Amino acid sequence: AQTVTQSQPEMSVQEAETVTLSCTYDTSESDYYLFWYKQPPSRQMILVIRQEAYKQQNATENRFSVNFQKAAKSFSLKISDSQLGDAAMYFCAYRATTSGTYKYIFGTGTRLKVLA
Amino acid sequence: GAGVSQSPSNKVTEKGKDVELRCDPISGHTALYWYRQSLGQGLEFLIYFQGNSAPDKSGLPSDRFSAERTGGSVSTLTIQRTQQEDSAVYLCASRPPGLAGGGTQYFGPGTRLTVL
Repeated sequence: AQTVTQSQPEMSVQEAETVTLSCTYDTSESDYYLFWYKQPPSRQMILVIRQEAYKQQNATENRFSVNFQKAAKSFSLKISDSQLGDAAMYFCAYRATTSGTYKYIFGTGTRLKVLA
Repeated sequence: GAGVSQSPSNKVTEKGKDVELRCDPISGHTALYWYRQSLGQGLEFLIYFQGNSAPDKSGLPSDRFSAERTGGSVSTLTIQRTQQEDSAVYLCASRPPGLAGGGTQYFGPGTRLTVL
């Protein structure tokens, strides 16, 4: 069975600094999607970044980038120039692309605090 | 609207009462998911709808929980004879057909249910 593990329940970062959130997963599939979602106190889950497993290049969205290590089954999120608005819960998620597969597996989340 | 909407935003009920939670997915999104998120926890899969196919109800925690999706659009999650352990945030998400959009789910703002 696929699993997603976020080993850091909570992280803190100083404003303007860089922080990396860890995520590992376990799967026997060769093709899949990986996601990072942000959930601020408003509860709305927002997609931060998405990675297709067949792409070797790491995805980047402005200040957010990932370090995707397929062999190690690792998918960490780097936030550069952290801002107060980045404070939120961050969830890592996995979904296989196999036909008929539709479930998303979520990690337990990492709470990010941004210190002024 | 452009996004997934859920109503009510908050619901306070007494133990033993029935509640209905509503989700309006993004137009054209054939897949719809319900999740439950207990305080400080990750997302627990409840049910999945895809077009006119039979839903996957494997995540529903008890027979007090049921859901329907009318006309392939709006979905209602019903909890009968609510218990205090049902208190949680209930999130709805929709996504386009197949792997369109990179398999990304789009979440609503959730309904916070409090059972007294």
